[in-house]
Amino acid sequence: NAGVTQTPKFQVLKTGQSMTLQCAQDMNHEYMSWYRQDPGMGLRLIHYSVGAGITDQGEVPNGYNVSRSTTEDFPLRLLSAAPSQTSVYFCASSRPPGNTGELFFGEGSRLTVL
Amino acid sequence: QQPVQSPQAVILREGEDAVINCSSSKALYSVHWYRQKHGEAPVFLMILLKGGEQMRHEKISASFNEKKQQSSLYLTASQLSYSGTYFCGTEIRWGNTGKLIFGQGTTLQVKP
Repeated sequence: NAGVTQTPKFQVLKTGQSMTLQCAQDMNHEYMSWYRQDPGMGLRLIHYSVGAGITDQGEVPNGYNVSRSTTEDFPLRLLSAAPSQTSVYFCASSRPPGNTGELFFGEGSRLTVL
Repeated sequence: QQPVQSPQAVILREGEDAVINCSSSKALYSVHWYRQKHGEAPVFLMILLKGGEQMRHEKISASFNEKKQQSSLYLTASQLSYSGTYFCGTEIRWGNTGKLIFGQGTTLQVKP
């Protein structure tokens, strides 16, 4: 089983460039989310979605956009990358919030903004 | 608001016990615990639900005090494989939407 797949695994951007981090899951999970991980800060929630067409902001949404057109995919867009967005990004999915369940994480995407 | 974990770091010898605490300023619906090895994704350990029982995962157990908005993770007879960073994730419910907010993590190192 593929589980949660993130691409790319590594990316280097210049300040001001845009890019999209892809996330796909094959478990038919309705709940998907994006976290960023920085040393000493833990995992911080960027955006999350409870189903196709529904997204909401997390703790640190500024500088990031998301959309959820299908159950399987939840891409994260950086419109104008900044050095402060250098981080490791994790996508996660789980069963619907009404049935609280574990988060399944992707392997992570390491982004460096120069 | 992020839950607060304590301690920030723990160093143990094999066979010793440890407790990691997680506190929130908000009323909680559930608490999750995850472990992350260096360079890997976090892996689920257990969930504690409001009104639920204490949970166990091998020799790791956890409790959830709803009144105090606190959870504790108990690692007994620690093994080398327990090394890693432990995160608690707290869920606050309003309506039908829940979102999981993680603490800053506790780094555990188990030495032979």
